[in-house]
Amino acid sequence: DTGVSQDPRHKITKRGQNVTFRCDPISEHNRLYWYRQTLGQGPEFLTYFQNEAQLEKSRLLSDRFSAERPKGSFSTLEIQRTEQGDSAMYLCASSLAVTLNTEAFFGQGTRLTVV
Amino acid sequence: AQSVTQPDIHITVSEGASLELRCNYSYGATPYLFWYVQSPGQGLQLLLKYFSGDTLVQGIKGFEAEFKRSQSSFNLRKPSVHWSDAAEYFCAVGAPSSASKIIFGSGTRLSIRP
Repeated sequence: DTGVSQDPRHKITKRGQNVTFRCDPISEHNRLYWYRQTLGQGPEFLTYFQNEAQLEKSRLLSDRFSAERPKGSFSTLEIQRTEQGDSAMYLCASSLAVTLNTEAFFGQGTRLTVV
Repeated sequence: AQSVTQPDIHITVSEGASLELRCNYSYGATPYLFWYVQSPGQGLQLLLKYFSGDTLVQGIKGFEAEFKRSQSSFNLRKPSVHWSDAAEYFCAVGAPSSASKIIFGSGTRLSIRP
């Protein structure tokens, strides 16, 4: 399977704990995006990387959130001191930015539940 | 800043009937436009996209969409729906100047009546 994969698929954590999600993009893709989707809403942009550089961060990405893409391949999204409001589906997408008109391919997401 | 409005939260149509899902966008120039579908427990799948050229765009699964600049709309259509089309549909807009991110609408949930 050469699609975008995310791990874990589901995560239940207690409020105040730290969690980390992983995203493996399609292998030749140089752009990687993180989105958050809450129930009944569309995905909201969080941040994106081109290779290993984090080029844009949304105001939604509070200080408790950090994302990395250390070698320009996989990426991790860490949430520290989780809150119940962090409960959501976290989606990763990747694209090959050769030209501007490229599409993003999405993973199946990591569903986070904070109890 | 770009934004997307999907005015219909939930639509129910009969199997075999035609479908039109509405999408209006806000952007200062011609944006990149997308329709994605999301089935329960699945990731987002791209149905079709518009970047330039012919304003009627054909996509997968028999879907099409028409870009109307004068109405700032990009409505999704299908002439005859199948029960397997039941899903959540998202319209999205991207900015050609940055191509850094895609902004999604809040989605329209499609139910199919047998």
